[in-house]
Amino acid sequence: NAGVMQNPRHLVRRRGQEARLRCSPMKGHSHVYWYRQLPEEGLKFMVYLQKENIIDESGMPKERFSAEFPKEGPSILRIQQVVRGDSAAYFCASSPAGQSDYGYTFGSGTRLTVV
Amino acid sequence: QKEVEQNSGPLSVPEGAIASLNCTYSDRGSQSFFWYRQYSGKSPELIMFIYSNGDKEDGRFTAQLNKASQYVSLLIRDSQPSDSATYLCAVNVGGTASKLTFGTGTRLQVTL
Repeated sequence: NAGVMQNPRHLVRRRGQEARLRCSPMKGHSHVYWYRQLPEEGLKFMVYLQKENIIDESGMPKERFSAEFPKEGPSILRIQQVVRGDSAAYFCASSPAGQSDYGYTFGSGTRLTVV
Repeated sequence: QKEVEQNSGPLSVPEGAIASLNCTYSDRGSQSFFWYRQYSGKSPELIMFIYSNGDKEDGRFTAQLNKASQYVSLLIRDSQPSDSATYLCAVNVGGTASKLTFGTGTRLQVTL
């Protein structure tokens, strides 16, 4: 049973380009969460999605960032016009419906470097 | 005041000793508390969760929760060099189970 799959593992983008980060939840999980970890900082909540629905995006920056979890396919975190401050590790987690109380399983993360 | 606070460390303990990691939180409405372990360059791994006051044991790990004092701790018995990692405390601030607030983590070093 594969865990939470994230790709790519490493992503390098030049300033102004777009970054697309993908997350496939564990089999049977319908809830996806995105977190960002800046260097030497803790994990920060970004967004919580269910299939075709954004439940909580209170942690998303107001501009340039968007997320989706379509009916088919992985969840996508999209960052437009990246800046150096977007360089971070982005982690996705998933949980079964109604069972997030027991904690998440995180994927391996995508390490974004903006040059 | 940060919502979840941890001493950044490093906390250094000799092999075989008990490592004690502490975390305080500000929101009295928090209901779920989690400890994650994160090795350098890796993703966080859930170790334990606790909801009720008191102790919860799982192998060499014991989580302790005191809601009145708003702290949660993690004890690691018989510490091993492989336990050397950063330990993240996470809390569902505001009682929203689906959104966790993490502390910045305590780095643990287990020395030979």
